[in-house]
Amino acid sequence: GENVGLHLPTLSVQEGDNSIINCAYSNSASDYFIWYKQESGKGPQFIIDIRSNMDKRQGQRVTVLLNKTVKHLSLQIAATQPGDSAVYFCAEIKGNTPLVFGKGTRLSVIA
Amino acid sequence: DAMVIQNPRYQVTQFGKPVTLSCSQTLNHNVMYWYQQKSSQAPKLLFHYYDKDFNNEADTPDNFQSRRPNTSFCFLDIRSPGLGDAAMYLCATSREHGETQYFGPGTRLLVL
Repeated sequence: GENVGLHLPTLSVQEGDNSIINCAYSNSASDYFIWYKQESGKGPQFIIDIRSNMDKRQGQRVTVLLNKTVKHLSLQIAATQPGDSAVYFCAEIKGNTPLVFGKGTRLSVIA
Repeated sequence: DAMVIQNPRYQVTQFGKPVTLSCSQTLNHNVMYWYQQKSSQAPKLLFHYYDKDFNNEADTPDNFQSRRPNTSFCFLDIRSPGLGDAAMYLCATSREHGETQYFGPGTRLLVL
């Protein structure tokens, strides 16, 4: 079946550098995408979202890019901080169906 | 100003002893979801309610049941917990289908 997946299961970044977390999706009918951050022992926390009619959306220190041609989603974190260390999940939604999570990427920030 | 609340945060039960996990929300959202999450895995949807309409995922074991007595509360009942049911259980809500889901802090279940 169609699914959402991630290229990199772990990512280590130096504090202050920019982080890029990638996600590939295969369901071309998905129209809404969300990035969640999950810290150890906590529930997923909404970071940023993007609809399929957009290709870029910016938040505070975070940017989500959507490339529908290659079915690719990325999360960019500027000036990565130790508090950004967590597992990041992309998720996709098609219409009114429940969201589908990707596998997750663990981001480790090296001080 | 917690929006999705789960109690307890940690639950220990014995093999085969029924256990209930609870979730409440202050968002007045129509949809409530229960997920199971095991270590280093993505959350797996068990079922969800749209108002009082229950929707079970095809691969959710019969051992898992849910109740939603009103808009604010939703319960997860595990009738006979097995060792494989030890996991983090996450509750989430969304205003409508197809909209952003907001998650609670989770309840970590340990089965002895």
